[in-house]
Amino acid sequence: KAGVTQTPRYLIKTRGQQVTLSCSPISGHRSVSWYQQTPGQGLQFLFEYFSETQRNKGNFPGRFSGRQFSNSRSEMNVSTLELGDSALYLCASSLGAPEKLFFGSGTQLSVL
Amino acid sequence: DQQVKQNSPSLSVQEGRISILNCDYTNSMFDYFLWYKKYPAEGPTFLISISSIKDKNEDGRFTVFLNKSAKHLSLHIVPSQPGDSAVYFCAAPHSGAGSYQLTFGKGTKLSVIP
Repeated sequence: KAGVTQTPRYLIKTRGQQVTLSCSPISGHRSVSWYQQTPGQGLQFLFEYFSETQRNKGNFPGRFSGRQFSNSRSEMNVSTLELGDSALYLCASSLGAPEKLFFGSGTQLSVL
Repeated sequence: DQQVKQNSPSLSVQEGRISILNCDYTNSMFDYFLWYKKYPAEGPTFLISISSIKDKNEDGRFTVFLNKSAKHLSLHIVPSQPGDSAVYFCAAPHSGAGSYQLTFGKGTKLSVIP
């Protein structure tokens, strides 16, 4: 069974640009969550989607958005990039239960 | 306000000895806790969990202890192996709007020295 796949693995952008990250969950998983990992803040919850609906959102500015498609694949978008957006962005899928999220390897975003 | 705290950023242990990783929480509504392990360039993977109705859960070399009155949990790894070298995150799920989100600690980097 294939795991959670995130693309691309690495991205370099400049301030002011926008970026789109992609996540394909484990087959059959309808819940997809996104987390941001930075050295200073650890892992922080961005948002969670289930059946194309955003059910929960973390404390991030509106520049961070996401969506989920009918095949459960998800994308997140960050507009007007800032230096502080440099981070590892992790996607996780689950069957809906709170435990045992399955994480992808992440997208490392560097904003210059 | 950090609701899940891991106050030790790093820990070094000799191979074969016990590793003890600590985690404190402030939200008394948390009733379930998980530990995740993360290697560089990989996503975190689930390791072990514990419900608040228990004070101990064991899985092979890994045991998690929960002290509800102190709002403290710890992960014990015995015996420690070099392959255990990774960053360990303590996490607690809480629900909202029909979904769950995990609140993570900042992690403890464990180095097991051969």
